[in-house]
Amino acid sequence: QKEVEQNSGPLSVPEGAIASLNCTYSDRGSQSFFWYRQYSGKSPELIMFIYSNGDKEDGRFTAQLNKASQYVSLLIRDSQPSDSATYLCAVSGGGNKLTFGTGTQLKVEL
Amino acid sequence: EAQVTQNPRYLITVTGKKLTVTCSQNMNHEYMSWYRQDPGLGLRQIYYSMNVEVTDKGDVPEGYKVSRKEKRNFPLILESPSPNQTSLYFCASSISTGAGQTQYFGPGTRLLVL
Repeated sequence: QKEVEQNSGPLSVPEGAIASLNCTYSDRGSQSFFWYRQYSGKSPELIMFIYSNGDKEDGRFTAQLNKASQYVSLLIRDSQPSDSATYLCAVSGGGNKLTFGTGTQLKVEL
Repeated sequence: EAQVTQNPRYLITVTGKKLTVTCSQNMNHEYMSWYRQDPGLGLRQIYYSMNVEVTDKGDVPEGYKVSRKEKRNFPLILESPSPNQTSLYFCASSISTGAGQTQYFGPGTRLLVL
């Protein structure tokens, strides 16, 4: 079982819709959760991080964390074509290691 | 401008020819790390460093070496590259080594080993 799992996609949504990206993790001791966005050929850039159960909102992005169920999700409201990218979920157990999922490709269609 | 830089950005080499990929950050970050990214496998950590002269193995350290003689620099060394080390490499840094570290990535180095 992979430590951090994501559906590879592609996930296609129409412009203006809500995109929902999901990630599950296996280590119950995980403490910190990150979402990175990566455009093709570019480096990952941090979108959001979340530590506590519940929702965290930043502009059009909302991260949701449920530690009991061991999943973290990212919602993108009013999706734009510029949101088309691969979204990487990353999980930290509190030490020095950050474990990444393989990413979900998002396509926002006009 | 706060940034992580890597050089070279693209490199084609032959099996067995030693190479070094440099990484430098200007944010006075303590923690630095190297990743490789391969299709279907995601980002995998090679080595990391928590401070000067402190380094440790990540998930895929075989065939790689690192050093941390200065806080700002963290070079990745391939003593005898092989074709299975063909990959996209990223250096990253963060301000601390504790939980919740936010890592900032360099632009990447695309390596092809023939």
